Amino acid sequence: DQQVKQNSPSLSVQEGRISILNCDYTNSMFDYFLWYKKYPAEGPTFLISISSIKDKNEDGRFTVFLNKSAKHLSLHIVPSQPGDSAVYFCAASARISGTYKYIFGTGTRLKVLA
Amino acid sequence: GAGVSQSPSNKVTEKGKDVELRCDPISGHTALYWYRQSLGQGLEFLIYFQGNSAPDKSGLPSDRFSAERTGGSVSTLTIQRTQQEDSAVYLCASSSQGYGGEAFFGQGTRLTVV
Repeated sequence: DQQVKQNSPSLSVQEGRISILNCDYTNSMFDYFLWYKKYPAEGPTFLISISSIKDKNEDGRFTVFLNKSAKHLSLHIVPSQPGDSAVYFCAASARISGTYKYIFGTGTRLKVLA
Repeated sequence: GAGVSQSPSNKVTEKGKDVELRCDPISGHTALYWYRQSLGQGLEFLIYFQGNSAPDKSGLPSDRFSAERTGGSVSTLTIQRTQQEDSAVYLCASSSQGYGGEAFFGQGTRLTVV
């Protein structure tokens, strides 16, 4: 039962263009969403987050959009840079059975071409 | 250092042996998580500690897996009688809030069972 899904395992984008990474979730109890970036042989690093009371959060080149009715969120990176090449995980959080868990998707490998 | 520290960074063990993985969270963080990432997979939740509350062990895959958190700080994940399917990167994360805030990850321990 995959509660958080990233259906695109990989994405290639030209440098300077927009990268759009998508994430879908099934559990309506999720109310906080995060994006992490992971380079090889390193732990995931936090990128940006959004609360379910908002539909957009922007931080520099990174913007996260949340569509609660569709249970869908997306991460936009513009302009994309070669250093953005990494695996991106979306995560959802909620109080489930009395504890707070981060449920992660399977990741999307982004490759930004110079 | 100020980040989450995990040791060892790499561990090769023979099938059937026990292993212990250590996590030093960020000082003052009350929430601590263990995840694992198998090859080509997402981050799989294992266990969650929050303050003095009983841990959420719902993600542990079998009774060969156990974890402790001593003094609300350092955590040890123990895998008994290791199997080849236990081979993965084991990631520890800590959070100051346990909810509504980002979790900070260590660099992970790559476990290889031969």
